[in-house]
Amino acid sequence: DTGVSQNPRHKITKRGQNVTFRCDPISEHNRLYWYRQTLGQGPEFLTYFQNEAQLEKSRLLSDRFSAERPKGSFSTLEIQRTEQGDSAMYLCASSLGQRRRQYSGNTIYFGEGSWLTVV
Amino acid sequence: AQSVTQPDIHITVSEGASLELRCNYSYGATPYLFWYVQSPGQGLQLLLKYFSGDTLVQGIKGFEAEFKRSQSSFNLRKPSVHWSDAAEYFCAVGQPSGGSNYKLTFGKGTLLTVNP
Repeated sequence: DTGVSQNPRHKITKRGQNVTFRCDPISEHNRLYWYRQTLGQGPEFLTYFQNEAQLEKSRLLSDRFSAERPKGSFSTLEIQRTEQGDSAMYLCASSLGQRRRQYSGNTIYFGEGSWLTVV
Repeated sequence: AQSVTQPDIHITVSEGASLELRCNYSYGATPYLFWYVQSPGQGLQLLLKYFSGDTLVQGIKGFEAEFKRSQSSFNLRKPSVHWSDAAEYFCAVGQPSGGSNYKLTFGKGTLLTVNP
């Protein structure tokens, strides 16, 4: 049973460089989420996809951030012209989104995160 | 907009002692509520969730939580803490986004230290 996989796990980059993170969700999960977590804080929502469609973006997702999910499988999160304030852990999560409301709901599973340090 | 407050930033307990982590939420409708645990440098693992029905929810690793609508609370409890429970604990509220789907809003977390 493979969970949510994220690569790379750690990335150190110089300010101004571009970085890209990849997320492979659990097989057949049609919903995919990106969160950002800084030290001492809880995860903050960035964006989510239903299949290949990006349905919502947070105000935290500035113009330098772009997320894609081609073909509704894996997803990438790219940060352009990185700034020191972008240093954080970027968490990906997935779930089996269901149209009908159910008693138990569906669980959101998180990956182990990708740490970004901008120097 | 929904929000979650975890009043305790850091809690220290002795191994074998009981534990209660507090969580208060703000949400206009019936909430979906969750507790996740995070070990250092790792992702989040779901401990338990509440969608509806019985307000006392059992989770993994011997944890339970009770939803109290009148107090807008969803406190996490464990009768006897083990050293391996040392981690950071996050309470979250889920905002419905169609069907059984939702978007999570997290509290800032409570760091649990367990003394031998």
